[in-house]
This record gives sequence, C-alpha cells and structure tokens, in this order.
Amino acid sequence: QSVLTQPPSASGTPGQRVTMSCSGRSSNIGRNYVYWYQQLPGAAPQLLIYKSSQRPSGVPDRFSASKSGTSASLAISGLRSEDEADYYCAAWDDSLSGYVFGTGTKVTVL
Amino acid sequence: HLAQSGAELKRPGASVRLSCKASGYSFTDYYLQWVRQAPGQGLEWVGWINPNNGATKYAQKFQGRVTLTRDTSMSTAYLEVTRLTSDDSAIYYCAKEDQPYLYYYGVDVWGQGTTVIVSS
Repeated sequence: QSVLTQPPSASGTPGQRVTMSCSGRSSNIGRNYVYWYQQLPGAAPQLLIYKSSQRPSGVPDRFSASKSGTSASLAISGLRSEDEADYYCAAWDDSLSGYVFGTGTKVTVL
Repeated sequence: HLAQSGAELKRPGASVRLSCKASGYSFTDYYLQWVRQAPGQGLEWVGWINPNNGATKYAQKFQGRVTLTRDTSMSTAYLEVTRLTSDDSAIYYCAKEDQPYLYYYGVDVWGQGTTVIVSS
C-alpha cells in the first residue's frame, strides 16, 4: 500500500520539461532522504536520484530533483522518447519503520 | 550486481523460496531490501535483512508469512513466502541499500526480479 502520493501521469513533447510531485508526511519525506527510481517497460527499477537531489554517475543532468518539507519533486528537462517510463519516489518512514513508495507516475512522450 | 533465481509457478497454499546472489561488493556491509510488484501495480516493500548478522525487519502485512535469511559464504540472500495466495503473484526484487551499515536511506542496485505466479 503506497503511502507517498504521486500524480498518475505526466506527458510532454520531445524537448519539453516535465515535472512530477511526491507528497508524504513528516515521518517519511519530512525526516528522511527521498530516492527516485525509473522503471522502463518490462524492466526492473533503476536508481535515478539518491539523497533527495543527487544524480548517480551515468544519469543525464536532464534529470533533477528537490525536496521541501514533506514533498519532493522530480523534473525532466529536454524530454526524450527514451524517458517514457514509470517513475517512483521512495523514502524511509520512521512511524511505520518501513520503506514506503510513491504511487508512481507514468511519463508519456507525445 | 544482484542475480535472482528463476520464475516460479506455485499452487495456492504452497511455499516459495527465492534467492538473490550478490557480487562486486562486500555482501556483509550493505543491507538488502526486498520489494515486490504485482501485475500492473506499484512497488511494495517486503522487508530487509542485515547480511552481517542476519537481523531482519518485515512490513507488517507480511509478518509471520515471510522469512528472510542469508548465506554469507555464498553471498546470497533468500526470501521465503509461505501460505501463498493469488495475491502473492508478483515480481519480487532484491535491492542493495545505498549506504553501508544503514537501512533507512534507499537502494541503489536492483536485481532483475523473480516472477512468482500462484495459480491452481
């Protein structure tokens, strides 16, 4: 059961900027780092952003993220067809003593 | 790198044991998380295991039905699910924690996943 809320979908044309939000609580996003994962169709999730805003090596700088209070956001600039995927946010929840995921946002490139 | 075992087809009421073999890093330094994804659904946390001492933590909904273990000599972690129902049909992923010795950050490396189908 997802505890973090994301918009179900987002879309844009190639080259556009797309953003998506991730809303949580003080017990999760408010106190812990947010991680973002990209899941391409038929594949396992892959790390996209760690520690709320850091990009692993190999992830294009078109991807950026931030966190403020109990919410986080992910932005994709210069949208490309290969960005079509599901995107999940995640964070540790101190109250649940467990890892919680977002509901997921499906990005479509028009 | 995390290499998971192959797909499983089980009858309702049966048990299943999945494996996750780690390579390329110190197995005992990083917690392993298990996550599952039902068909067409989002990601759901199952639990973690500390490969160093075998300590475990499970999501409440899986308490009593899921067991995480590890074999340090094989750098392999295991997930066992008992009393399977059709609701347990999902892809099960193991994933390595990002930071050493900690379990509350996030994961950075995922296994390829193991598909479990529960059907009569």
